[in-house]
Formats: sequence, structure tokens, C-alpha cells
Amino acid sequence: AQTVTQSQPEMSVQEAETVTLSCTYDTSESDYYLFWYKQPPSRQMILVIRQEAYKQQNATENRFSVNFQKAAKSFSLKISDSQLGDAAMYFCAYRSYYAGGTSYGKLTFGQGTILTVHP
Amino acid sequence: DADVTQTPRNRITKTGKRIMLECSQTKGHDRMYWYRQDPGLGLRLIYYSFDVKDINKGEISDGYSVSRQAQAKFSLSLESAIPNQTALYFCATSEVGGSTTNTGELFFGEGSRLTVL
Repeated sequence: AQTVTQSQPEMSVQEAETVTLSCTYDTSESDYYLFWYKQPPSRQMILVIRQEAYKQQNATENRFSVNFQKAAKSFSLKISDSQLGDAAMYFCAYRSYYAGGTSYGKLTFGQGTILTVHP
Repeated sequence: DADVTQTPRNRITKTGKRIMLECSQTKGHDRMYWYRQDPGLGLRLIYYSFDVKDINKGEISDGYSVSRQAQAKFSLSLESAIPNQTALYFCATSEVGGSTTNTGELFFGEGSRLTVL
């Protein structure tokens, strides 16, 4: 079974600075997806960024980018020019590429990292 | 209106009571999921359904049951609630996934916070 680990329960950053959230995962599969979800105080789960394992290029979405290290099974999220609205819980998640099989297409989540942004 | 709607948003109940959390979606997705969120544990899968006739247990299904009334509706029941089931519950949907054009991204409802006293 796949596991996802976020080793940083809490992180903080100054507004306009850069912060990196860590995520590691364990899998025996070669094809999969990785996601970062944001959960602000409103509780809504918002997709921030996704990465396909078969793509070597790291995904970017505006101020958000990832450092995907497939061999190391590492998937970190970098937030540049941090804004007060970035304050939230961030979850890393894994999904098997294949719809069938033992993973059944479900997402496996890490424990979450609470990000505080200081003005 | 939200694509995935959960009711109630918040609920306080007593030990031993039966509780139903409801989820409806307008995204037209076949796959629906119920997750539970606890501090320090992330989201854990309770049940999932790939279509109306296909319902499967997740990693923490004990004490819960589900009903898929239609493609658009998926309900989670706690037959006899206990304090340990106090948590934030999420319903989610997805397409089948497993292709270069569809990653099987989950679309979440706004969550139902359940407190069992």
C-alpha cells in the first residue's frame, strides 16, 4: 500500500518570502499522480498543483511550483512571494495512474502541514 | 451552487444516536468517496463507490455504512455514534482517471463537521 508522509506539522513564512513544504511517499508503482491540496480556514479543499510521475518537468502554477524527485520519492511544494491568503493547511496526496488494481484510483493523503504567513 | 454539496455543514449529536451525512453532486461523476479528517492524521478513506452498484470499504469503515441512492447521491451513516467519530467529514467525486487527459483529481464538498458528545 502507498503511504504519504509530511514531516512538517507547522511552517511559517514572512509575507513576500519563499517557503518550501516537504512531502515524501512510498510506492512500488512506476506511474502515478501527486497532488498538493490547500485547505484554508473555510475548510474547502482546493487543488493547488498536480504532477504526473511520467513527466520529468516539474509542474508550476503561478507562484506555486514543485520539486519532484522520483528516485528519492520526494515531492515538495515551493510557494514564492508568499501572501496572507496562502495561510492554510496543505496536504500532499498520491494517486495510482491505473484506475483498477488494488489502489482503486483513490487518493492517499499525508498528515498535512499548517502554513502561517506573517505580515 | 457548489458542484458537490454536503448536508449538514455542522452537527452536534449525542452518543448512541443515528446520524446521516448526505452528499449530492452535479459534476456527473461516477466515482464518489467519503473521507474523514482528523488533526495530525490527514484525510482517511471511509468508503468509496465507483457506480451505483459498486460500493467498497476504505481503510476505516468500521462503525460506518453508506448508501448510493443514485449517481449523484452518496450518503454516509453512523448507526450508533460514539465520541471517537467526532471529526470533519468530506465527500468527494472524481472521473475515472488513469489517462493523460484525466488525472482522477478529487473534487470536494465543503465538509461536514460532526461532534459526538
